Amino acid sequence: EAQVTQNPRYLITVTGKKLTVTCSQNMNHEYMSWYRQDPGLGLRQIYYSMNVEVTDKGDVPEGYKVSRKEKRNFPLILESPSPNQTSLYFCASSPKVGILNQPQHFGDGTRLSIL
Amino acid sequence: GESVGLHLPTLSVQEGDNSIINCAYSNSASDYFIWYKQESGKGPQFIIDIRSNMDKRQGQRVTVLLNKTVKHLSLQIAATQPGDSAVYFCAENANTNAGKSTFGDGTTLTVKP
Repeated sequence: EAQVTQNPRYLITVTGKKLTVTCSQNMNHEYMSWYRQDPGLGLRQIYYSMNVEVTDKGDVPEGYKVSRKEKRNFPLILESPSPNQTSLYFCASSPKVGILNQPQHFGDGTRLSIL
Repeated sequence: GESVGLHLPTLSVQEGDNSIINCAYSNSASDYFIWYKQESGKGPQFIIDIRSNMDKRQGQRVTVLLNKTVKHLSLQIAATQPGDSAVYFCAENANTNAGKSTFGDGTTLTVKP
């Protein structure tokens, strides 16, 4: 089954303790992206990757890191989490057809609580 | 002048009625637009998309209309069903900045039986 898989689905942790949210897709998609979703603010893009070893900042990259060493994986790293990073996080992927954008496939989300 | 639908954060309709969800986008360079549906506890799911060289596109029970003049997008759902209850988001992309995606605030659609 074609899917985007995020782990963990839920995490409660404390300020300053480094954490990684993994994201993996099995559709051979070039493009991957991370979003956070907060009440009243919709989805905001954190980082995206056009292909392996190519990453770029979205609208809210502060406090996050990403890497894209392999096509299928795009982990989101919080080096020193803070309470304002408490949110619902989504990973997404899409194919690329030339320069044309395509719809994104989303994972089911990771709910992070930073105390 | 032309009338453009307002974006509403919530919309309640009777089962069987048609629904219209509106979205205003911000970037005049945007040339690709997508509607997503998000059910409780899940990630957004693709419904329908439209590129800027079109002003209307139809799917199964859904139609997307694009008005580039006033930067407005709408999603029409025909014969709305209880299973259509969800949050609906529009998203915009520009091929000149292909990686960036901007999402609207979302509209919560509730279908009353």
